[in-house]
Amino acid sequence: DTGVSQNPRHKITKRGQNVTFRCDPISEHNRLYWYRQTLGQGPEFLTYFQNEAQLEKSRLLSDRFSAERPKGSFSTLEIQRTEQGDSAMYLCASSLDVGLYGYTFGSGTRLTVV
Amino acid sequence: AQKVTQAQTEISVVEKEDVTLDCVYETRDTTYYLFWYKQPPSGELVFLIRRNSFDEQNEISGRYSWNFQKSTSSFNFTITASQVVDSAVYFCALRNSGGYQKVTFGTGTKLQVIP
Repeated sequence: DTGVSQNPRHKITKRGQNVTFRCDPISEHNRLYWYRQTLGQGPEFLTYFQNEAQLEKSRLLSDRFSAERPKGSFSTLEIQRTEQGDSAMYLCASSLDVGLYGYTFGSGTRLTVV
Repeated sequence: AQKVTQAQTEISVVEKEDVTLDCVYETRDTTYYLFWYKQPPSGELVFLIRRNSFDEQNEISGRYSWNFQKSTSSFNFTITASQVVDSAVYFCALRNSGGYQKVTFGTGTKLQVIP
């Protein structure tokens, strides 16, 4: 297990299309997070899973966004009817307990909506 | 509500100079955790350090050192004898003890080390 894996690395889509990103966390990590980072900004929290349960969602996460983590393993983040404002880097992170160890981040998926 | 402020947007130093990155935070909790992350040009965020609110001891790790002062709500990061490989964006972050582990990041400081 070499870390948090995110696919695809880059995605270009036309406005109005749906996109789905995948995150494979470190296998023993029960906590999984999605963040969004726009140019010149720090990562902004989107949502958090503990095992398969989605425990918190940011107000940034409109109803066009949905995330799942079936069986508490990998996670998917889907954006429906994409808008140009959705263009950003989408980061996935996992941890055992972030208070002790911090997150381990993936390399991110860069979304460009044209 | 919690907030992290990194007032320095960009810093340029010449190689071998020392540089300090500032971080000021706001929280109402008495127990919280502070972090620093490095984001090199490749894009992946790398965890550097975690500090608990009840442990104000400063920490040194090689050329890196961290100064935590609760009285001023600051958690500053110093790189001694900077190297070109230190060029990156550095993020300070805060997490409270309760809630669902959400971490709030600052806007980052871009450090450029010139050879």
